[in-house]
Amino acid sequence: AQSVTQPDIHITVSEGASLELRCNYSYGATPYLFWYVQSPGQGLQLLLKYFSGDTLVQGIKGFEAEFKRSQSSFNLRKPSVHWSDAAEYFCAVGARAAGNKLTFGGGTRVLVKP
Amino acid sequence: GAGVSQSPSNKVTEKGKDVELRCDPISGHTALYWYRQSLGQGLEFLIYFQGNSAPDKSGLPSDRFSAERTGGSVSTLTIQRTQQEDSAVYLCASSLMGANTGELFFGEGSRLTVL
Repeated sequence: AQSVTQPDIHITVSEGASLELRCNYSYGATPYLFWYVQSPGQGLQLLLKYFSGDTLVQGIKGFEAEFKRSQSSFNLRKPSVHWSDAAEYFCAVGARAAGNKLTFGGGTRVLVKP
Repeated sequence: GAGVSQSPSNKVTEKGKDVELRCDPISGHTALYWYRQSLGQGLEFLIYFQGNSAPDKSGLPSDRFSAERTGGSVSTLTIQRTQQEDSAVYLCASSLMGANTGELFFGEGSRLTVL
C-alpha cells in the first residue's frame, strides 16, 4: 500500500527566505508524485508532478521538487517565498496500477512572516 | 464552467439526518474521486469511479456512506444518519484516464457541519 509522510505540520518562514517542505513516500514500484497547494477557502491546485525522467521538476509559482529514489523523498522548494505562498501544502503519491488514486500526506501549513 | 463543480458549498444538518452532496466533474473525465478532509487533517480517500467499472469503495468509513455516479458523469455522495464525526469538507476530483497524466482536478468542496 502507498503511504506519504510530511514530517512538518507547520513551518514559518520570512518573506524572501527560502522554503523547503519535506515529503517521504512508501511504494513498491515507481510512483507518481505530486504536490498540491490549498489556499484558504480554495480548492487544491496542482503545483507540480513527477512521473519519470528528470528527477528535478519545475512547477508553477516558482516551485520545484526533486525526486530522490534512494531516500524515497520528493521535497518541495522555493528560493524566495512571497506572502501569497501562505497556504497548506500536500504531497501525494499515486500509481497507474492503483487507478491513479492518490494517497495524500497530512499536509504542511506554511506561514509567511513579513 | 470548465472545472469540477460541487454543491452545496456549505451544508449544516442535524445529527441523524441524511445528506446528499453533488459533484459535476470536468466534461470528458472518466475517473471521479471523493475525498474527505477533516479539520486540520489531510485528505482521506473515500471512493473512486472509473468508467463503467465497479467503483473502488475501499475508503468508505461505514455503511452509512454511499455514492453513485449516473451516466458516467455526475456523482452523488450520500451520508445516512449523519453523526458529528462526519463533519468535514468533502472534496470531489476528476481525472482524465488514459492520458497517463494522473493529475486530479479538485472542486472547492462541500463543507458539512453536523450539529
